[in-house]
Amino acid sequence: EAGVAQSPRYKIIEKRQSVAFWCNPISGHATLYWYQQILGQGPKLLIQFQNNGVVDDSQLPKDRFSAERLKGVDSTLKIQPAKLEDSAVYLCASSLSWTEAFFGQGTRLTVV
Amino acid sequence: AQTVTQSQPEMSVQEAETVTLSCTYDTSENNYYLFWYKQPPSRQMILVIRQEAYKQQNATENRFSVNFQKAAKSFSLKISDSQLGDTAMYFCAFMNRQGAQKLVFGQGTRLTINP
Repeated sequence: EAGVAQSPRYKIIEKRQSVAFWCNPISGHATLYWYQQILGQGPKLLIQFQNNGVVDDSQLPKDRFSAERLKGVDSTLKIQPAKLEDSAVYLCASSLSWTEAFFGQGTRLTVV
Repeated sequence: AQTVTQSQPEMSVQEAETVTLSCTYDTSENNYYLFWYKQPPSRQMILVIRQEAYKQQNATENRFSVNFQKAAKSFSLKISDSQLGDTAMYFCAFMNRQGAQKLVFGQGTRLTINP
């Protein structure tokens, strides 16, 4: 069974530039999560989708972050414009209903 | 809102020893899951063990076992016969079984197994 795929693995951008991350969940998983993990901290939920609908985006900085999940499968997370404090690992995960979440390898973003 | 607290930022033990990582959580729900995830330097989160709150029996997976105390809202992870490959960040996580299935993580414990 293929796992959760994320790209790119690494990204370096200058502040005020824009960046996008892509996630392909495990086939058939209705729930998709995007997490931000700052170095040395636990993952913080940014947005959660159930199929193509948003379930929770209460911690998403909506003035600069956006996310979509077209057709309830792939998802993209965008930051525009980026700030220095956005430097982190961005993790995507997916799950079936009420089971453990499976994670991708993450994208390490460095904003300089 | 649910919160998860891991009070041990770092731990270090010798190979083959037993180590216990602590986790407490806060919720008003009665039906939920608890997880321990491992995150090695490669960054990918890997599920170690899962506990369903309605089950009284503590979950075990080979060298990994939990001590689930529902009334105390405590969920510790015991690693027996620790191995060098167990070196990683360990995260405790909570998921509600009803509603949004939000998955909430603790701050993590950095575990180092020394040869």
